[in-house]
Amino acid sequence: GDSVTQMEGPVTLSEEAFLTINCTYTATGYPSLFWYVQYPGEGLQLLLKATKADDKGSNKGFEATYRKETTSFHLEKGSVQVSDSAVYFCALSDRGTYKYIFGTGTRLKVLA
Amino acid sequence: DAGVIQSPRHEVTEMGQEVTLRCKPISGHNSLFWYRQTMMRGLELLIYFNNNVPIDDSGMPEDRFSAKMPNASFSTLKIQPSEPRDSAVYFCASSSLRASTDTQYFGPGTRLTVL
Repeated sequence: GDSVTQMEGPVTLSEEAFLTINCTYTATGYPSLFWYVQYPGEGLQLLLKATKADDKGSNKGFEATYRKETTSFHLEKGSVQVSDSAVYFCALSDRGTYKYIFGTGTRLKVLA
Repeated sequence: DAGVIQSPRHEVTEMGQEVTLRCKPISGHNSLFWYRQTMMRGLELLIYFNNNVPIDDSGMPEDRFSAKMPNASFSTLKIQPSEPRDSAVYFCASSSLRASTDTQYFGPGTRLTVL
């Protein structure tokens, strides 16, 4: 079945450091791919998405490119801030059912 | 625009009691999803509805769990009787298949504690 694998956390970075959170997927067909962010005590918020190969999603300085050849959707940010501290979830959407498959989440902690 | 609304935000109850969680999806959305989040199991899809009809309830853990969507603007998730292992954060999410988008929008969640 479909699956999403994320790098284990926590990831601890200093402010202004470069961020990469790896995400790879297994799916039949061509799913949509998503990154969601969850701040403490809150629900999941859509960060960015991509719906087809080579699409780049971007938002708030975060970027991720849909790489069909490597089945990856890695999240990157050039300069993180303390306010980026949160849990980040990679997910895919089954095009037939619209059900999401989530990764396990990666906790990011940014130190001032 | 109002997002997905869930109530209550926090619920503390004793084992054996009935618990009802409520969700109001974004107006115009026709798909609704119930999730459970725990440290041990992460995010789990419990059930989802399209146009108020339950499509897949394979994630519902036991017969103690039931969900309804009587109309397009309201859904409930009921646990009867509740057990301590049901303690978790329950999220509701909605999306609009009419718009041919599979983006789900999440509510703030209900934190359930069963003593």
